[in-house]
Amino acid sequence: QQQVKQSPQSLIVQKGGISIINCAYENTAFDYFPWYQQFPGKGPALLIAIRPDVSEKKEGRFTISFNKSAKQFSLHIMDSQPGDSATYFCAARAAFGNEKLTFGTGTRLTIIP
Amino acid sequence: GAVVSQHPSRVICKSGTSVKIECRSLDFQATTMFWYRQFPKQSLMLMATSNEGSKATYEQGVEKDKFLINHASLTLSTLTVTSAHPEDSSFYICSASKTSGNEQFFGPGTRLTVL
Repeated sequence: QQQVKQSPQSLIVQKGGISIINCAYENTAFDYFPWYQQFPGKGPALLIAIRPDVSEKKEGRFTISFNKSAKQFSLHIMDSQPGDSATYFCAARAAFGNEKLTFGTGTRLTIIP
Repeated sequence: GAVVSQHPSRVICKSGTSVKIECRSLDFQATTMFWYRQFPKQSLMLMATSNEGSKATYEQGVEKDKFLINHASLTLSTLTVTSAHPEDSSFYICSASKTSGNEQFFGPGTRLTVL
């Protein structure tokens, strides 16, 4: 019940295209859903996050779409650039009990010219 | 901003020795710090959660006597890998949060290689 399933494992997108990464969860106690970007040899950095009271959040080229009934959320990267090539992790955290983040398995995104 | 640093960034040690990794919140007080381990091409696995002045809470399967965590102040937590073995070689990442329920800020990670 603590799992967060992420797909695809890897993704290749042409420059200027839209990159889409999907995550699904089971625990209905999750109330915070961040996405992290990680470059090789570096720690993850928060990209964008959403709470379940909204269905979409946009920050620049990055958008999270959230479907509470389906327990799914996705990251859309518009106008993908080579500099977006990185590993992306979705995560989820429950409101009560602790502050632990449960991470997805990661998606390695490669943007090709 | 909210900056978290780790030291060292890389460490190589011999099997059987102990290694200490420091995690510092540079511009905020961290009530809670987290330690993760990440193997190549895998996700982050939480090892333990520590609150300042109290004992760390370890995740299932993490040996607390092998991975000693000390959160002595609101800006510093340390992870000591005792009697390190080659299978402990990994990327260790800490994160810190300002107050309960807020965002976690991640450090740059420490690459541990045990020969």
